[in-house]
Amino acid sequence: NAGVTQTPKFRILKIGQSMTLQCAQDMNHNYMYWYRQDPGMGLKLIYYSVGAGITDKGEVPNGYNVSRSTTEDFPLRLELAAPSQTSVYFCASSHPTSSSGEQFFGPGTRLTVL
Amino acid sequence: AQSVTQPDIHITVSEGASLELRCNYSYGATPYLFWYVQSPGQGLQLLLKYFSGDTLVQGIKGFEAEFKRSQSSFNLRKPSVHWSDAAEYFCAVGLYSGGGADGLTFGKGTHLIIQP
Repeated sequence: NAGVTQTPKFRILKIGQSMTLQCAQDMNHNYMYWYRQDPGMGLKLIYYSVGAGITDKGEVPNGYNVSRSTTEDFPLRLELAAPSQTSVYFCASSHPTSSSGEQFFGPGTRLTVL
Repeated sequence: AQSVTQPDIHITVSEGASLELRCNYSYGATPYLFWYVQSPGQGLQLLLKYFSGDTLVQGIKGFEAEFKRSQSSFNLRKPSVHWSDAAEYFCAVGLYSGGGADGLTFGKGTHLIIQP
């Protein structure tokens, strides 16, 4: 199993550009999450999904959109990039029947908006 | 709203010495508790977790943590650190109820430096 994969690993955007961060998992996990990590800070939840076709906002959803058309994929969309969105983005997944609620994380995407 | 506090931003420990990283949480109920480690440029790896039962939990790489309900704490310990333990450590809490899944709330992290 590849686990949770994210592409790209690095990206530089200009202000106002748009892009999609890709996330995929091959563990048949229903639950998937997007977090952002700013320097010196912990991770903050952007959006999460409990299954295909179902998404919900986390703590910091403004400026982002998500979709969940399949169990495996959970892309994160930035429509109008802003410098405040410079961050490292992590995707994670977990299994609904896991009583421990452990989340498995991808390697991250480092995004810089100039 | 739930919150997680890691009071120490940086900790320096000599190789071979013992380690304790502090974590306090504020939650309406007993949450699920986690410690993750992040090496530079890497994703997060789960060290250990607590959700019920024995309050002293063992994890990978020789780490353990103790849940103390009265102190709302979940401190991470290791009896003897190795240079490879230098990393960022995050405490996190979550509440999973009714079959749904909420995200985790993370502390700001503790940066561990190992002195030779």
